Amino acid sequence: GEDVEQSLFLSVREGDSSVINCTYTDSSSTYLYWYKQEPGAGLQLLTYIFSNMDMKQDQRLTVLLNKKDKHLSLRIADTQTGDSAIYFCAESAAGNMLTFGGGTRLMVKP
Amino acid sequence: DVKVTQSSRYLVKRTGEKVFLECVQDMDHENMFWYRQDPGLGLRLIYFSYDVKMKEKGDIPEGYSVSREKKERFSLILESASTNQTSMYLCASSLSALSTDTQYFGPGTRLTVL
Repeated sequence: GEDVEQSLFLSVREGDSSVINCTYTDSSSTYLYWYKQEPGAGLQLLTYIFSNMDMKQDQRLTVLLNKKDKHLSLRIADTQTGDSAIYFCAESAAGNMLTFGGGTRLMVKP
Repeated sequence: DVKVTQSSRYLVKRTGEKVFLECVQDMDHENMFWYRQDPGLGLRLIYFSYDVKMKEKGDIPEGYSVSREKKERFSLILESASTNQTSMYLCASSLSALSTDTQYFGPGTRLTVL
């Protein structure tokens, strides 16, 4: 079946850039997503990218997709303490049925 | 704004009890989902529903059932709770099943089974 992998933890200093990486196995993925979960809250969709794109930028967020290597990354520029959260990568191959990665906990140190 | 609400934020139950988790959305969404979230495993789909009285098994349906009697409400039922069902349960809804239809999540219910 499909598999989505992420590293468990990332620590950065405030003002630095954060890069969260994700790999997936399903070559028929059509959309790839990044969700953010703040402490005690549900998941919030941050951004998504269609599989025929290789980059998408939205303010401080940059998503890069390497379809050949099945690698997705989320770069957060000028990381702030409010960016501390768990970030989930997800992919969909059929409709909006999602397969999630295990989540990366981002800790931003002042 | 879409609002997805879950009946409880925290719940403590005993082994063998019947447990109901309720989810309500206010945007007339067709699709609703129940996930469980465990550290390092991400979210795993338990059941989803694409219409009233319709349900489909997700990846881990064993030990769970669901009910969708009204469009806005999707209930997750643990017929006989067990300690390995201690987890965070997240409900989501989406307008339909198109790839571009965002899933909106509730705040979650943290269930502890003693």
